[in-house]
Amino acid sequence: AQKVTQAQTEISVVEKEDVTLDCVYETRDTTYYLFWYKQPPSGELVFLIRRNSFDEQNEISGRYSWNFQKSTSSFNFTITASQVVDSAVYFCALSEAILTGGGNKLTFGTGTQLKVEL
Amino acid sequence: DTAVSQTPKYLVTQMGNDKSIKCEQNLGHDTMYWYKQDSKKFLKIMFSYNNKELIINETVPNRFSPKSPDKAHLNLHINSLELGDSAVYFCASSQGPLAGDRTDTQYFGPGTRLTVL
Repeated sequence: AQKVTQAQTEISVVEKEDVTLDCVYETRDTTYYLFWYKQPPSGELVFLIRRNSFDEQNEISGRYSWNFQKSTSSFNFTITASQVVDSAVYFCALSEAILTGGGNKLTFGTGTQLKVEL
Repeated sequence: DTAVSQTPKYLVTQMGNDKSIKCEQNLGHDTMYWYKQDSKKFLKIMFSYNNKELIINETVPNRFSPKSPDKAHLNLHINSLELGDSAVYFCASSQGPLAGDRTDTQYFGPGTRLTVL
């Protein structure tokens, strides 16, 4: 069975600090995909990134960066120079293929609440 | 333009009532999903439909019945509501044309907060 662990329940930082959100996953698949979603206080779920298991190159998008390490089954997310608008719950998810029918199945971690204060 | 929309955004009702939540996507996707987010923010898949066909049914009580009149719509009907049904329900969609496709990115609607009194 697939499993995603986000051990940090809540993190508080002061604006402009860097912060890393941890994600550890378990899967028996040799090919898999990992995702990060953001849930701001307004409640919607916003897709941030998708990463496949055979590409371990780190990804950077503005102040956001992701570090995928297959050897430790981790897919960590770093926000550089955090801002108050980054305050949200962040979810890591692992994709499982559905062998009959289309689409896939996401297994989510329990989320990390990030609070950025002035 | 809203990609995945849900109505209503808030739903407050009494135990025992029947209610429906509607979902529509204008992304041209083939697959749609329902997720439940509980009070601890845990997200779990309930159902998925691919081109109007039920694909995933995750041990959800049969009081919950999804209906897909066409591939752009997936509604959720709940009979005999119970206190434990209080949660936020998210609809999502993905391109999903192929079986075995792990790459599919799911895009979520704004959520419907259901409160059962």
